[in-house]
Amino acid sequence: GEDVEQSLFLSVREGDSSVINCTYTDSSSTYLYWYKQEPGAGLQLLTYIFSNMDMKQDQRLTVLLNKKDKHLSLRIADTQTGDSAIYFCAETRGSYIPTFGRGTSLIVHP
Amino acid sequence: GAVVSQHPSRVICKSGTSVKIECRSLDFQATTMFWYRQFPKQSLMLMATSNEGSKATYEQGVEKDKFLINHASLTLSTLTVTSAHPEDSSFYICSARQGSSGNTIYFGEGSWLTVV
Repeated sequence: GEDVEQSLFLSVREGDSSVINCTYTDSSSTYLYWYKQEPGAGLQLLTYIFSNMDMKQDQRLTVLLNKKDKHLSLRIADTQTGDSAIYFCAETRGSYIPTFGRGTSLIVHP
Repeated sequence: GAVVSQHPSRVICKSGTSVKIECRSLDFQATTMFWYRQFPKQSLMLMATSNEGSKATYEQGVEKDKFLINHASLTLSTLTVTSAHPEDSSFYICSARQGSSGNTIYFGEGSWLTVV
């Protein structure tokens, strides 16, 4: 399987919370990232978490890391239509070269 | 936050010509920059790692003579697509690592290349 896996699509209603999940295979991962990509644009770093942390919160974003299960999630509270985008999970190891998942398309509908 | 700028954002070139894409870190020094290629609705494919003052490290399957990477300064890396073909048309994205320990990586806005 792939090194970093994400589900491809997530659809939520405006105002609800969105949870985007990611699994990775390498237990030596050091940093894990969430990036947002809007159509035709580059990647915007949303947040990152070091592997010795369990949780990180930044305004509407909450990142949870379960290192035992190699599972990372991004929760977006009060999801808005402007949050519609592709969200990429990425991890780095000793070489610090990030490996990306295929991205999750978040669709927010009224 | 740190900013990485790419130029041009869109370029159209004729088959057989070469085109250069620039990647600049605007407010930090980047000893390492990465070049990615992204196909529609696909993830990012790492093409090469560019280290300031040394040769780039290319990923398997990426032709180094076709995709020339130069990282002449701590704030600038360039990707030159030589003898471009229509199949080289793609979205190219660079990223730069802030600091030597790799904890923050910022991306440029991407460059759309269309070869006609």
